[in-house]
Amino acid sequence: SQQGEEDPQALSIQEGENATMNCSYKTSINNLQWYRQNSGRGLVHLILIRSNEREKHSGRLRVTLDTSKKSSSLLITASRAADTASYFCATGPDGLTFGKGTHLIIQP
Amino acid sequence: DTGVSQDPRHKITKRGQNVTFRCDPISEHNRLYWYRQTLGQGPEFLTYFQNEAQLEKSRLLSDRFSAERPKGSFSTLEIQRTEQGDSAMYLCASIRNTGELFFGEGSRLTVL
Repeated sequence: SQQGEEDPQALSIQEGENATMNCSYKTSINNLQWYRQNSGRGLVHLILIRSNEREKHSGRLRVTLDTSKKSSSLLITASRAADTASYFCATGPDGLTFGKGTHLIIQP
Repeated sequence: DTGVSQDPRHKITKRGQNVTFRCDPISEHNRLYWYRQTLGQGPEFLTYFQNEAQLEKSRLLSDRFSAERPKGSFSTLEIQRTEQGDSAMYLCASIRNTGELFFGEGSRLTVL
């Protein structure tokens, strides 16, 4: 079973626009993580937010966490063609459970 | 930090054959995870090791699957009597003590 579910499943935007994707989960968490996966490659860790944090930034990435709603969002600002990838949220106290991902396409 | 390496990157086999994948984790990470990923899906947990001990196995890991991590270093995942449904990307990851997973590039299995 998959703990986190990303929304939307697919997103297509123009280069330079902001991309927002959401993640909902079901049970209590210690932390929530976001990963990126380029086609046919392994996953790359983007950012980890702990359950006692509400917002975290890393470069053009901004992650929010609302534990009362069991949801998180990932914002990518000023998108670039290289941001085209699948994005996954992952949760778990011990090891990680991944959602199905949001497939993001940045059109030039 | 040389990263997680997996071998082979691609494997094509006939149904009924056995295949083995190897994973070399980041040396200072003592936990190692195996995941399976099919097209359009997220990675699904298979099993994990703490040093040489296999601590958890998913119900996805049928009796045709076996994983080892001798001496707590590299790990192998063997699939016996492969079936077409085993076709997938097999991902290995090791974990930093702060909780982030570092993935290898995966081993893609195609069963004909």
